[in-house]
Amino acid sequence: GAVVSQHPSWVICKSGTSVKIECRSLDFQATTMFWYRQFPKQSLMLMATSNEGSKATYEQGVEKDKFLINHASLTLSTLTVTSAHPEDSSFYICSASGGATNEKLFFGSGTQLSVL
Amino acid sequence: GENVEQHPSTLSVQEGDSAVIKCTYSDSASNYFPWYKQELGKRPQLIIDIRSNVGEKKDQRIAVTLNKTAKHFSLHITETQPEDSAVYFCAARGNMLTFGGGTRLMVKP
Repeated sequence: GAVVSQHPSWVICKSGTSVKIECRSLDFQATTMFWYRQFPKQSLMLMATSNEGSKATYEQGVEKDKFLINHASLTLSTLTVTSAHPEDSSFYICSASGGATNEKLFFGSGTQLSVL
Repeated sequence: GENVEQHPSTLSVQEGDSAVIKCTYSDSASNYFPWYKQELGKRPQLIIDIRSNVGEKKDQRIAVTLNKTAKHFSLHITETQPEDSAVYFCAARGNMLTFGGGTRLMVKP
């Protein structure tokens, strides 16, 4: 199957700093990428959908100025958590769709963010 | 929008027994239903999917059934093994992919 690489896998930062998470599709062109947040023992919560070359579409309740998404190429999307606070601590996962049917989703390995 | 309900939230079975996880969806336009397996701290992995023009699909010990009329679909795992222990998510795609709440499956040796 297709490979989606996500980095970093784990980050600890001080409150007030910004953290950038990268999501790359390694062997296919991802027309659409998705960013999720997952709390312990809970399901995946879609935060935003990004299409290459256009602005991301954010889900209701997600602050676009807080979670900056850039999808500058068909293989790379980034999520920047700006001025992170302890309540932003969570597991963030990206996924990408592409290929012939543009239907299947392939997930990154996730990023565990801990804000002190 | 689409709403996907998944049951049960936890399921414990003895090794060798079968496990069944059920999901319902609300959007009759949904036409693609994948199932993902997520081990602790790892990425969700697609294990099987079914499209709305098919009623059943099987891949070794895993099968999925779809009832479009009733708007529900189920995951069946036969001859469960300890390595099947994980969280399983169903999803339904209409305009977008919506996930169920997840089922934590525990297979006891």
